[in-house]
Amino acid sequence: DSGVTQTPKHLITATGQRVTLRCSPRSGDLSVYWYQQSLDQGLQFLIQYYNGEERAKGNILERFSAQQFPDLHSELNLSSLELGDSALYFCASNSGVAKNIQYFGAGTRLSVL
Amino acid sequence: TQLLEQSPQFLSIQEGENLTVYCNSSSVFSSLQWYRQEPGEGPVLLVTVVTGGEVKKLKRLTFQFGDARKDSSLHITAAQPGDTGLYLCAGAEEQGAQKLVFGQGTRLTINP
Repeated sequence: DSGVTQTPKHLITATGQRVTLRCSPRSGDLSVYWYQQSLDQGLQFLIQYYNGEERAKGNILERFSAQQFPDLHSELNLSSLELGDSALYFCASNSGVAKNIQYFGAGTRLSVL
Repeated sequence: TQLLEQSPQFLSIQEGENLTVYCNSSSVFSSLQWYRQEPGEGPVLLVTVVTGGEVKKLKRLTFQFGDARKDSSLHITAAQPGDTGLYLCAGAEEQGAQKLVFGQGTRLTINP
């Protein structure tokens, strides 16, 4: 158990809908990272938050947004969903210190039908 | 954009054989991590290598970081069916947010 909790584990929805994925980092970790894993794309970095502030952005679509709350949990919001958004979404956390390894949650499997 | 090329993408061998997985880039990374991922689970960290030329051993697994910190390899000796899984290498940026750049992964199958 990595200590990173993601909910829900599975999510099935329709095109055009909006969903929210939740991540609770390991106790004491200030930094949260979101990644998308598609069958043919590997793990792609989406966005990072550190202590409530956005720190880095990767290949995140404008339809997607995220935030980190004062209690350090994070949410990834996906809107106007398309079939191609079906993927595994992972959250990882660490203390934010340089060279500190990231610990991954079990992921949320999103299926857009 | 930093890229990590991982090879081979698929590998199926017999129990007892040795194998090597490679991870190559034209970019320098502050560290390189190897993960193993099981179906339905998140990546689980196996090892982190930080210093150029560093070699780390984890039982039958040997990890090496290239001298220039641009490449890495994972060598498994006497592979066992329990080694079956998806192996991912990931490089951490030297600057900025230290986000991870992942290779495409190597799906390893060890046949009994």
